Amino acid sequence: EAGVAQSPRYKIIEKRQSVAFWCNPISGHATLYWYQQILGQGPKLLIQFQNNGVVDDSQLPKDRFSAERLKGVDSTLKIQPAKLEDSAVYLCASSPSGVYNEQFFGPGTRLTVL
Amino acid sequence: TQLLEQSPQFLSIQEGENLTVYCNSSSVFSSLQWYRQEPGEGPVLLVTVVTGGEVKKLKRLTFQFGDARKDSSLHITAAQPGDTGLYLCAGLGGGSNYKLTFGKGTLLTVNP
Repeated sequence: EAGVAQSPRYKIIEKRQSVAFWCNPISGHATLYWYQQILGQGPKLLIQFQNNGVVDDSQLPKDRFSAERLKGVDSTLKIQPAKLEDSAVYLCASSPSGVYNEQFFGPGTRLTVL
Repeated sequence: TQLLEQSPQFLSIQEGENLTVYCNSSSVFSSLQWYRQEPGEGPVLLVTVVTGGEVKKLKRLTFQFGDARKDSSLHITAAQPGDTGLYLCAGLGGGSNYKLTFGKGTLLTVNP
């Protein structure tokens, strides 16, 4: 079974530029998550999708971050404009329908904002 | 807001030693998960504990969920260099709060 795919793996941009990340979840997983992991911290949930609907985006900085999952499969996360404090690893995870919400993570995209 | 505190934050030991890491909260969780994350990779699920007082073993790793479902521990016996990584606990809220909350993790280094 293929795992969660993410691209790019690394991205370096200047502040105020835009950037987009892509995620393809495990086939059949209805729920998709985007997390931000700053160095030395645990993952922080940015947004959760159930199929193509948003379940939780309470911690997404909506003035600069946006995400979509148009067909209920793959997803993109965009930052526009980027700030220095956005430097982090952006993790995508998916989970099947289940009581314990066990999540399967992709390798992440390491973003550096200069 | 449900918070999970992990300790120690960093741990460096020699191969063959035993260790325990802790995950504590003032909140009750319906279940708790442990993940291991290696450099440049995403977290990988190790175990889910559900029942207060539950103990699960995964080879040399022993996981325990506190009786009150507010805390958990991970014990590794005879650590090996391959155990090196960031160990994250994540609690699942109960009721309508169906969200995983992650701790900051314990960074374990096992030296050969």
